[in-house]
Amino acid sequence: GNSVTQMEGPVTLSEEAFLTINCTYTATGYPSLFWYVQYPGEGLQLLLKATKADDKGSNKGFEATYRKETTSFHLEKGSVQVSDSAVYFCALSEDGGATNKLIFGTGTLLAVQP
Amino acid sequence: GAGVSQTPSNKVTEKGKYVELRCDPISGHTALYWYRQSLGQGPEFLIYFQGTGAADDSGLPNDRFFAVRPEGSVSTLKIQRTERGDSAVYLCASSFDSGRGSPLHFGNGTRLTVT
Repeated sequence: GNSVTQMEGPVTLSEEAFLTINCTYTATGYPSLFWYVQYPGEGLQLLLKATKADDKGSNKGFEATYRKETTSFHLEKGSVQVSDSAVYFCALSEDGGATNKLIFGTGTLLAVQP
Repeated sequence: GAGVSQTPSNKVTEKGKYVELRCDPISGHTALYWYRQSLGQGPEFLIYFQGTGAADDSGLPNDRFFAVRPEGSVSTLKIQRTERGDSAVYLCASSFDSGRGSPLHFGNGTRLTVT
C-alpha cells in the first residue's frame, strides 16, 4: 500500500543553520505531496504542497520539490530560526488531492537552539 | 471561534465504557475529517464528511467506532466498549471543501486515555 517515510528525529540545529528533513514515499498513481507543521501547543497546519512532478512548494522560507524519479519530497530551509522549532509531518494524498484523505509520516521533531 | 475546536481536550475513561468526542469546525467549512494519532506516529485517517454524509469511513478500525454530523457542522466521534488500544489523540480537521487546493485546518485534538 501507499506509505510515507521520513527521517527520525529529533533534529537539533543552531540558529541560521541549513535544514534538510528527508521524506520518501511509495504510491501508485500520482499523489499530491504535503508538509504539515505542528508548533508547540497548536494544531497541525499546512506548510507547503506540490501536486505534480517537479513542482516546488514553498512557504516561510521552506521549500520542497516533488521528485518522481527518486519518490522524494525533502524539506529544506536555508537558515532556520528558533521559531521554526516544531514537529514536521510529510504526507501524501492518494487521490491526487481530490480529498484531504492523507497518509502521514511519523513526524520529525526539529529543535533550533539560539 | 476562528479555528477548529475539539472538546474535551483530555478524556480518561475505563475500559469498556462509552465515550463521545466533539468537533466544532471552522464556520463555512463543508468537509470535516477525523484522524487518530498514536504515540510516536503520524495521524491516521478515520473518516470524512462532506456536508452531513460520511463520504469515506474506510479508516474506522471496527464497528465500535461511529461518527455523525447531523447538521453539517458539529461532528461527534463515538467509541463503544473502549479498549486500552484506543488510547490516542483524536484529531479533527475541516476544509472549505473536500480537497483540491483547500487545506486542512486541524484542531488541537482530544487525548483519550483508556485505563
